[in-house]
Amino acid sequence: EPEVTQTPSHQVTQMGQEVILRCVPISNHLYFYWYRQILGQKVEFLVSFYNNEISEKSEIFDDQFSVERPDGSNFTLKIRSTKLEDSAMYFCASSGDRPGSYTFGSGTRLTVV
Amino acid sequence: DAKTTQPNSMESNEEEPVHLPCNHSTISGTDYIHWYRQLPSQGPEYVIHGLTSNVNNRMASLAIAEDRKSSTLILHRATLRDAAVYYCILRDGPYQAGTALIFGKGTTLSVSS
Repeated sequence: EPEVTQTPSHQVTQMGQEVILRCVPISNHLYFYWYRQILGQKVEFLVSFYNNEISEKSEIFDDQFSVERPDGSNFTLKIRSTKLEDSAMYFCASSGDRPGSYTFGSGTRLTVV
Repeated sequence: DAKTTQPNSMESNEEEPVHLPCNHSTISGTDYIHWYRQLPSQGPEYVIHGLTSNVNNRMASLAIAEDRKSSTLILHRATLRDAAVYYCILRDGPYQAGTALIFGKGTTLSVSS
């Protein structure tokens, strides 16, 4: 079964550093998303991306965050200057045109120290 | 997205059926009912979805009340692997491809052997 692949699985970074989280969505999907989940809390929507532009974003997705699809296969989330409160599990997801095609990756655990 | 209400937690024994309820009294006529689950340390995964009729797939069954103000996810024989957080999510249809799934707190299902 097709998978959404995320790398790395765990990243530790110092406060103030930039990080890039990477995702390879399912190849025939057109819509891409980033979510985050702080430990013990619910899954929170960050941003959705379609046709090389952001289609929706939440209040969490401020100027410190950016997304990019640099080539035909990768989808990235960049955090410019990490804060301690950015520590969370970040999930990438992709979807096609039909219900039920929404697929999540296994996540990247980001730890900011 | 219309609001859903789920119990915080439920318990089950292995090999027994589990009925996970969801109330959505403000559902609109075009809202699809989706269920996702999140196993420990993993990203959410699709379980099932429906509009008006009851639905079955290899993972579960979805029973939708005639007035559509509530639904029940049915796991026919719970296994230890079914221990997860189960989310009931409404999304407007006809299926709005690319719109974000918004997660609530869900129901934490515990399964005992």
